[in-house]
Amino acid sequence: QVQLQASGPGLVEPSQTLSLTCTVSGGSISSGGYYWSWIRQPAGKGLEWIGRIYASGGTNYHPSVNSRITVSIDTSKNQFSLRLGSVTAADTAVYYCARGGDMAMTAHFDYWGQGALVTVSS
Amino acid sequence: EIVMTQSPATLSVSPGERATLSCRASQSVSSNLAWYQQKPGQAPRLLVYGASTRATGIPARFSGSGSGTEFTLTISSLQSEDFAVYYCQQYNYWYTFGQGTKLEIK
Repeated sequence: QVQLQASGPGLVEPSQTLSLTCTVSGGSISSGGYYWSWIRQPAGKGLEWIGRIYASGGTNYHPSVNSRITVSIDTSKNQFSLRLGSVTAADTAVYYCARGGDMAMTAHFDYWGQGALVTVSS
Repeated sequence: EIVMTQSPATLSVSPGERATLSCRASQSVSSNLAWYQQKPGQAPRLLVYGASTRATGIPARFSGSGSGTEFTLTISSLQSEDFAVYYCQQYNYWYTFGQGTKLEIK
């Protein structure tokens, strides 16, 4: 059973960088066949996909955050990470990590982490 | 960006009755459509993918249908644990989610 767990600081000051790590257990992040994504959800609102990474290190980002986001992977630790720079209050949200297939028909998100609440405030 | 529109925003149904949730895509997403259930304080849970295939461990009372731009999630006989928010998501071209339908007890 694959499990994902997001972790990181819960409070970030405006204009600083948000950093989160997702630790994957029950399967190897480097085995291929999957993209590893970050999805966020502001309080009381819907879900927004913001970025993904493949085991090879290839990344894709949502245009709304493209200039501020970096997703990286550490296969030795079975982890992938999110960095989002120049944050504002609009970036306050629960951030989820999730696994999706690497083919069009399997790209749904089958495993999710429990979510990490990040508040941007001084 | 493909826009996903769910209706209704809130659906009030009595336990044991049927619930029908709708999702429309702004352009065809083929059958690359998933449904998720989310309860307060929890991560979304995959219910259906490929528009109509139930995920592992999902009860048979959940069924999905549709293709192209119109999709439906039906819950045949509502149980107490089914009252939650439901999201549709397309993964035909990147990923976008609907705004959600809150299924509440009538």
